[in-house]
Amino acid sequence: ETGVTQSPTHLIKTRGQQVTLRCSSQSGHNTVSWYQQALGQGPQFIFQYYREEENGRGNFPPRFSGLQFPNYSSELNVNALELDDSALYLCASSSSLRGLINEQFFGPGTRLTVL
Amino acid sequence: GENVEQHPSTLSVQEGDSAVIKCTYSDSASNYFPWYKQELGKRPQLIIDIRSNVGEKKDQRIAVTLNKTAKHFSLHITETQPEDSAVYFCAASRSGSARQLTFGSGTQLTVLP
Repeated sequence: ETGVTQSPTHLIKTRGQQVTLRCSSQSGHNTVSWYQQALGQGPQFIFQYYREEENGRGNFPPRFSGLQFPNYSSELNVNALELDDSALYLCASSSSLRGLINEQFFGPGTRLTVL
Repeated sequence: GENVEQHPSTLSVQEGDSAVIKCTYSDSASNYFPWYKQELGKRPQLIIDIRSNVGEKKDQRIAVTLNKTAKHFSLHITETQPEDSAVYFCAASRSGSARQLTFGSGTQLTVLP
């Protein structure tokens, strides 16, 4: 098992609500990436945080936002939830050396259901 | 952007046989290719990866090959065991400040006892 943790494990929300998901990175890792995994599909890159700044973003609308804290933990915020936001949200922790990102290790994920 | 295609979507093998999963990628600048194993309800686990400066990498029963010219890479599992049953994902990324992984659609491997 990796040292990456996520909370909560499961979450049920209704359309239009807002949600915050949390991720604690593995010790020694300074980079967190977030992915959305719909049922039966591969994870899709949402964005990445490095040294508390967004460091790359996938094809997701601005209502998906994030933060990284000085201890390298991270939050994913989703506003105005839509039914299609129902998915497993995974964070991945990695270390960066001289700007190069190494292997990414995933947390257990948060299962979000939007009703 | 990068596009990764993965085949087959499902694969059944007898215990002890070999399994091969293939992926192609579109971005010639991609240079890092990890493979993840995801058991039902669990996190993706990195099982092996390869960088573009090598053509093959092996770790016990698992090996990955890379053909940069053809832009495809493959996962080979030998002497399969029932515990190898899972969904396997390939991914690709390019160097740069954000190593964004682009994943394939996954292969459900079932090892029959």
